[in-house]
Amino acid sequence: GQQLNQSPQSMFIQEGEDVSMNCTSSSIFNTWLWYKQDPGEGPVLLIALYKAGELTSNGRLTAQFGITRKDSFLNISASIPSDVGIYFCAGRRETSGSRLTFGEGTQLTVNP
Amino acid sequence: GAGVSQSPSNKVTEKGKDVELRCDPISGHTALYWYRQSLGQGLEFLIYFQGNSAPDKSGLPSDRFSAERTGGSVSTLTIQRTQQEDSAVYLCASSPTGGANHYTFGSGTRLTVV
Repeated sequence: GQQLNQSPQSMFIQEGEDVSMNCTSSSIFNTWLWYKQDPGEGPVLLIALYKAGELTSNGRLTAQFGITRKDSFLNISASIPSDVGIYFCAGRRETSGSRLTFGEGTQLTVNP
Repeated sequence: GAGVSQSPSNKVTEKGKDVELRCDPISGHTALYWYRQSLGQGLEFLIYFQGNSAPDKSGLPSDRFSAERTGGSVSTLTIQRTQQEDSAVYLCASSPTGGANHYTFGSGTRLTVV
């Protein structure tokens, strides 16, 4: 079953605003990933995090691997209309091999 | 091809029929994964193939689900005696090795059981 709690479930923002979403778990993960999914497409990797406390940026996106290894957040700065989509967090546990556990997603809507 | 290719893109089937979903991974990728995405939900792991190793089938929801990977390349996910709760998008991904950071997903097969 689902082990990652992702919030918020949906967000409606104005273009130019900053966005923050996060994932928490009761389990420890050794990898955190953030994906974006456009309608009718598969998820595309945005950022990968491998060490507790790691803070990584990819353009306007910034993500952090929580120091407890049980949480991660994704920030999007100065949102634009093409940021619209569903954002998923995913984690890999030491005991689960290459299998990823996904959050339920955050649906982002950006109003121009 | 350049990406992960899945076919068909859409499939409507009657309850009780069998269906086969196909995945062509990126050439040279040794790891292949199947996930299921139900409406408004995250992705649920189904099965994982890595090279010649025995597949990790721990995510298959019932014995109606099976998958094979022929020649270390193309994979087929088979669902027997489909039920309405099987309706979902079935996503395939591949990676060069077992490293999760290099997953590349296909566009999925949307299965509707009526």
